[in-house]
Formats: sequence, C-alpha cells, structure tokens
Amino acid sequence: EPEVTQTPSHQVTQMGQEVILRCVPISNHLYFYWYRQILGQKVEFLVSFYNNEISEKSEIFDDQFSVERPDGSNFTLKIRSTKLEDSAMYFCASSEVGALYSNQPQHFGDGTRLSIL
Amino acid sequence: AQTVTQSQPEMSVQEAETVTLSCTYDTSESDYYLFWYKQPPSRQMILVIRQEAYKQQNATENRFSVNFQKAAKSFSLKISDSQLGDAAMYFCAYRDDKIIFGKGTRLHILP
Repeated sequence: EPEVTQTPSHQVTQMGQEVILRCVPISNHLYFYWYRQILGQKVEFLVSFYNNEISEKSEIFDDQFSVERPDGSNFTLKIRSTKLEDSAMYFCASSEVGALYSNQPQHFGDGTRLSIL
Repeated sequence: AQTVTQSQPEMSVQEAETVTLSCTYDTSESDYYLFWYKQPPSRQMILVIRQEAYKQQNATENRFSVNFQKAAKSFSLKISDSQLGDAAMYFCAYRDDKIIFGKGTRLHILP
C-alpha cells in the first residue's frame, strides 16, 4: 500500500537555525498538510496546500514557517529561525481529494521528531 | 469553529474485554466526516475507522465499531476483544478539509 514518507525521522537543531522537514506524499494525491504535536499534547493543524499554494493555515503558522513543493514529489516545511517551543513531532499528510464532502481520509507519514537545543 | 472533545484522558481494559472511548464534537455543518486515529508508542498516526455524517448506519471495521449519534454530536469508539496491540493513544477527529483532533485517550490493555 502506498505510504507518505517523511525524512528525517529525528532532527536535532540549534535554536535560531533553519530547518527543513521533508515529505513525499502518495503519488496521486493532490492535497497536502502539515500537523504538529508537542509532546503530550494533541495534534494541531498547521497548513494545507493545494495547486501550489496554501489553502489554509492556522495561527501557529506564522512568518517563520513556509511550505513548498519544489519538484512535484517532495513537500517541505521550513522553519526559518527555530525556537525552543518548535520542538515537536511534525506530521505530513496527504489526500486524494480535499473537498469537504469527501470520505477519503488523510494518510499520515510517520512523523519527524524535531528537537531544538 | 468546530471542536472535538475527548473527556477520558486515560482508560484501562482487561485483555479480551470490550471498551468504549467517548468523543463529542461541535459543528454547525450538516455533512462532515469523523474519524478515529490510533497512535501507538512509535508515534505513527493510523486510521482506525471513519464515519460519514449522512450515513445513519454505524461504521464497523473488524473489532472496531462506532456509535454515531448525530443529534447528540457524539461519536464513541468500541473495541471488542481487546488485544495487547490495541494499547495506544486514540484520537477522535473531525474533518473540515483539515483535521481537527481531540486531545486523545490513552488506552492501556491489562494482561
């Protein structure tokens, strides 16, 4: 069964450094998402992306964050200047359709654990 | 704004017994989708079961079933014949394109 893959599985970065988290969505999927889960807390929506632009973003997704689909297969999340509170598990997800009236689930990757020192 | 509430932070069940995890949600929409995701210690997010709000019939997937009460905005998950591998964090979720998750219920399976 096709999977969403995320790399790296664990990233350790010094505070203030830039970090790029990578995701390869399922190949025929058109809608892409990033979520964040701070340790011990619930999973929170960051951003959705369709047709090479952001569809929706949460208040967490400030100017320090950006997303890109540079080559038609990868979907990246960049954090420009990391802060301690950015330490979390970051999940990428993709779905074939994104319309509200759809029962197609989002398929999640295994996540990247980001640790900011 | 839509919200999802899971009122049970932790639950325990004996192996082979049945357990029900509660979830309520709030929305002004009439058509939507609800999901239960499982997150084992490995931290993956695994889809367990889904329910379309326009369907009256409760969804079932092997040992997993839901009790969907649309008027009450309730969406509980029943796990029958609990197995040690069911131990995980379970998240109730509402889909509005993006997914809105509840805070989760940590399920312990007692041997």
